[in-house]
Amino acid sequence: GAVVSQHPSWVICKSGTSVKIECRSLDFQATTMFWYRQFPKQSLMLMATSNEGSKATYEQGVEKDKFLINHASLTLSTLTVTSAHPEDSSFYICSAPRRAGWNEQFFGPGTRLTVL
Amino acid sequence: AQRVTQPEKLLSVFKGAPVELKCNYSYSGSPELFWYVQYSRQRLQLLLRHISRESIKGFTADLNKGETSFHLKKPFAQEEDSAMYYCALNAGGTSYGKLTFGQGTILTVHP
Repeated sequence: GAVVSQHPSWVICKSGTSVKIECRSLDFQATTMFWYRQFPKQSLMLMATSNEGSKATYEQGVEKDKFLINHASLTLSTLTVTSAHPEDSSFYICSAPRRAGWNEQFFGPGTRLTVL
Repeated sequence: AQRVTQPEKLLSVFKGAPVELKCNYSYSGSPELFWYVQYSRQRLQLLLRHISRESIKGFTADLNKGETSFHLKKPFAQEEDSAMYYCALNAGGTSYGKLTFGQGTILTVHP
């Protein structure tokens, strides 16, 4: 199978600070990765599509200046939550397809963000 | 816009009983449907996709375009099937890779 990792697995930060979350494809290259957000006891909601070498595309209602995405290499996408506030506290999950153009996704383990 | 509905948040059955997890979708095009499973303290993993038409861990799911459903079934549930199950849809076309998830169903199989 394909393995996707995330780092850190959990992070606690103060309100107003920025937090970076990494998503890596360990045994394959991913030109596209996806970032989801999951609130407690709720479903996953797609936030944005991370594109290697180009700008991310954001879903409607997602603030691109709040959630900065950088996909600098074929194995790494980063999500930076800028000026975090308590309402940004959530579970952030990334996914990537084994091959470009595939719909089947391999998911990372998720990152729990708590903003105090 | 597409939508996926899983009407049951919780589903409890006894070991050996049949189980059916319901999934309905709304989308005017030709979607691709998936079932993902999340076992306790583990990441989401693919269970089934409708285009494969295969049985995984005894589970099957048939896409019914007339009823816009993709229910997940297993004739004899096992305790290790206890998990959170998500139905997901991809709208196709230029939205490859993007998934719309249902709310999820927590399945508990009692001994």
